[in-house]
Amino acid sequence: DGGITQSPKYLFRKEGQNVTLSCEQNLNHDAMYWYRQDPGQGLRLIYYSQIVNDFQKGDIAEGYSVSREKKESFPLTVTSAQKNPTAFYLCASSPWGLAVSQETQYFGPGTRLLVL
Amino acid sequence: QKEVEQDPGPLSVPEGAIVSLNCTYSNSAFQYFMWYRQYSRKGPELLMYTYSSGNKEDGRFTAQVDKSSKYISLFIRDSQPSDSATYLCAIQAGGTSYGKLTFGQGTILTVHP
Repeated sequence: DGGITQSPKYLFRKEGQNVTLSCEQNLNHDAMYWYRQDPGQGLRLIYYSQIVNDFQKGDIAEGYSVSREKKESFPLTVTSAQKNPTAFYLCASSPWGLAVSQETQYFGPGTRLLVL
Repeated sequence: QKEVEQDPGPLSVPEGAIVSLNCTYSNSAFQYFMWYRQYSRKGPELLMYTYSSGNKEDGRFTAQVDKSSKYISLFIRDSQPSDSATYLCAIQAGGTSYGKLTFGQGTILTVHP
């Protein structure tokens, strides 16, 4: 069963704590993306990676970090520097950076991050 | 000014109505246009994509693009309660911006029986 999995479904962060959101895909896609979704603001790009061991900042990268050690995995760390982390986080993947084809960006089910 | 503007609604219609969802954009470099549907607390799923001006039809859904006006639309015919969701337009430039989508704010649609 091919797809994208994200875990956990809900995550609670304490003040000053770093937390890591998991994203795994078995679609053999080269490119992976992290978005943040807030009410009334649509999806905003945090980081993206078009190939293993390489990634680029998106529009709102401050307070976040990523790694891409394996093609299948693209974890996102929300650091203590991110002052307003409460949001719905979505991971996506697509074949080789090109989002436009019948095989466009596929999204995972999301992780909801809440601050205690 | 945001690169992509979408009326957030909410939009409430009776079952069977024709629904029109719209986005405007400002960057003429945008070449590819997509509509995603997102059910509550789920990830978005692709509904339609197109890269040229004109209409594209898929069942009850029609995507329309007018590049001269920088305006895109999604029409839903014979709307059903199961169409109740948030609809997001997504637009992509070509060239070195491959893979990066710019999303509208999303329109919340409710179809009531």
